[in-house]
Formats: sequence, C-alpha cells, structure tokens
Amino acid sequence: QVQLQQSGTELVKPASSVKISCKASGYTFTSNYMHWIRQQPGNGLEWIGWIYPGNGNTKYNQKFDGKATLTADKSSSTAYMQLSSLTSEDSAVYFCARLSYGSYFDYWGQGVMVTVSS
Amino acid sequence: DTVLTQSPALAVSPGERVTISCRASESVSTLMHWYQQKPGQQPTLLIYLASNLESGVPARFSGSGSGTDFTLTIDPVEADDTATYYCQQSWNDPPTFGGGTKLELK
Repeated sequence: QVQLQQSGTELVKPASSVKISCKASGYTFTSNYMHWIRQQPGNGLEWIGWIYPGNGNTKYNQKFDGKATLTADKSSSTAYMQLSSLTSEDSAVYFCARLSYGSYFDYWGQGVMVTVSS
Repeated sequence: DTVLTQSPALAVSPGERVTISCRASESVSTLMHWYQQKPGQQPTLLIYLASNLESGVPARFSGSGSGTDFTLTIDPVEADDTATYYCQQSWNDPPTFGGGTKLELK
C-alpha cells in the first residue's frame, strides 16, 4: 500500500533553515510527481511546488520561489523540502502529497509541524 | 491564479442531506477534486474529477459540476462527517484550493 511518511516536528529559530523529508513506499517513486502543500494555523491549504523524482525537475509557486527548495533521492525514495530564511510567517504544517495520473492528490503524508520561534 | 470560493461553515443534523458548494473564478473543466480534513490529520481524497468516488469512500458522498460551479453532497450526514471540506482544481496552473467549509453537526 502507498505510504508517505514525513519527518517529525521541528522547532527552529528565525533566520535559520530547516529540511523536512517525505519517504515514499508502496509504489515506484520515480513515476509520480510529488507536491508540497502548506497549512498555516487555522488556515486553508496552499500549494508550494512539485518535484518529479524521475528527473529532478521542479516547479514552484511564485510565492515560495527562493523560500522553498525541493529535492529527491531516488535511492531512498525520499523527497525533501528545505525552507530558508525562516520567519514566524513560516510556522505551519507542511504536507507532501502524491499526484495521481488523473492530476489529483491521492495520497498525503501525515504532515510536519514547523514552528519558528526564538 | 484560479480562486475557489466556498462557504466557510455549515451546521446540519445527522440524517440530513448537505450540499457544499465551490465556485471557481474561471473554468476548470471537470478537474475539480474534494478532500476531507479532520482536526490534526492530513486531508484525504473523497471525490476526483468532479464526480468520481475514491475507493473506500462511503457512497453517501457524491460530487457534481463542471466549468465553474461544483457541489459535494453528503446524504445522509453522519456524526463522523464532522470535518473541513476543501475543493481543489488542477485544470489551471498553479493548482489551488478553496478556503474550506467547516461542517458541524447539530
């Protein structure tokens, strides 16, 4: 069965960076786009970008260009998102989600809560 | 970006029928999908491509619409359906989500 297992809660300081992971299992990692989505406290869902693990191609929401960097390691079937120059505005839950061939998100990770605080 | 507009909240009694609407600022064809999110959990797929029921989702859930107007229907509503429901379009780039409709049971 398809699973996306994300890394644990992060408490980080302002102006620092954090790298969170999303380990995929139960399917061919290189065959599907992996998307990342943000949910700020009490708010809705916001698309950050995608990576295609098959060739490493990426695309970002303009809003997150320069803030988020997406990478993938085919050998471990793990996608990563690095967030840089963190501020309190970046405090949120971050989800990875697999894009199905029908262009909808059919599997989601459990989410990583990132808290930016001094 | 394509803006998806949902009513913020609804309250219904168990056993009733509820429709949750989603209006797009431009046509999204039938590339509209619905997700359920319970507190502290990730969203889960309910309906894809406007009207297709995801495997394992109860038949009480159904979706309809095309172009700019879409609805998610739950009939009958059960206590376990308390959650926030999001629509999401993938026709236009970037993909966007509605603001969510919080469903509460009376």
